[in-house]
Amino acid sequence: EDQVTQSPEALRLQEGESSSLNCSYTVSGLRGLFWYRQDPGKGPEFLFTLYSAGEEKEKERLKATLTKKESFLHITAPKPEDSATYLCAVQGNFGNEKLTFGTGTRLTIIP
Amino acid sequence: DAMVIQNPRYQVTQFGKPVTLSCSQTLNHNVMYWYQQKSSQAPKLLFHYYDKDFNNEADTPDNFQSRRPNTSFCFLDIRSPGLGDTAMYLCATSRDSSETQYFGPGTRLLVL
Repeated sequence: EDQVTQSPEALRLQEGESSSLNCSYTVSGLRGLFWYRQDPGKGPEFLFTLYSAGEEKEKERLKATLTKKESFLHITAPKPEDSATYLCAVQGNFGNEKLTFGTGTRLTIIP
Repeated sequence: DAMVIQNPRYQVTQFGKPVTLSCSQTLNHNVMYWYQQKSSQAPKLLFHYYDKDFNNEADTPDNFQSRRPNTSFCFLDIRSPGLGDTAMYLCATSRDSSETQYFGPGTRLLVL
């Protein structure tokens, strides 16, 4: 069974204070690892897909990286508008290709 | 421009009173999904359609049903809602089952 664990559960940072969120996973053959941003009371917003170890993707202040066991979402010089819950999900090569989500990291950026 | 639209955004219903949630998409994607997300929990897949083929998750209660009358629309029917069904219901679409899923804004359901 595919599993995803995200840490920390919650993170408070000062504006401009860079940090990283962790997503550890176990999956029978990784098809893809997905990062989403979710604002309170809204649906997840797609950020990145990573397919293989060593891959990196960037978008504004966010950079996602992938190894064979975990992914990191690095946030550089965050702003208050980056406050949200960040969800990680994996999709395996076997079974019905469904996404298995972690419970997310709730990020708060303090002005 | 909204690509995955869910209606209503908020729904209050009484214990046992049937409710229907709707999802529409302008992406012409083949796959449509329904997820349930309870407070501070991960989204949980209920079922999905690949075109007209329905795929139910093994642990989805029989109380939950779905219909997809055409490519653009998909409905979630809860036949007899219980208090434990209070949650956010998320619709998502993807071009193929192995591709990125795009989510709608969700419907927040409160069962009283």
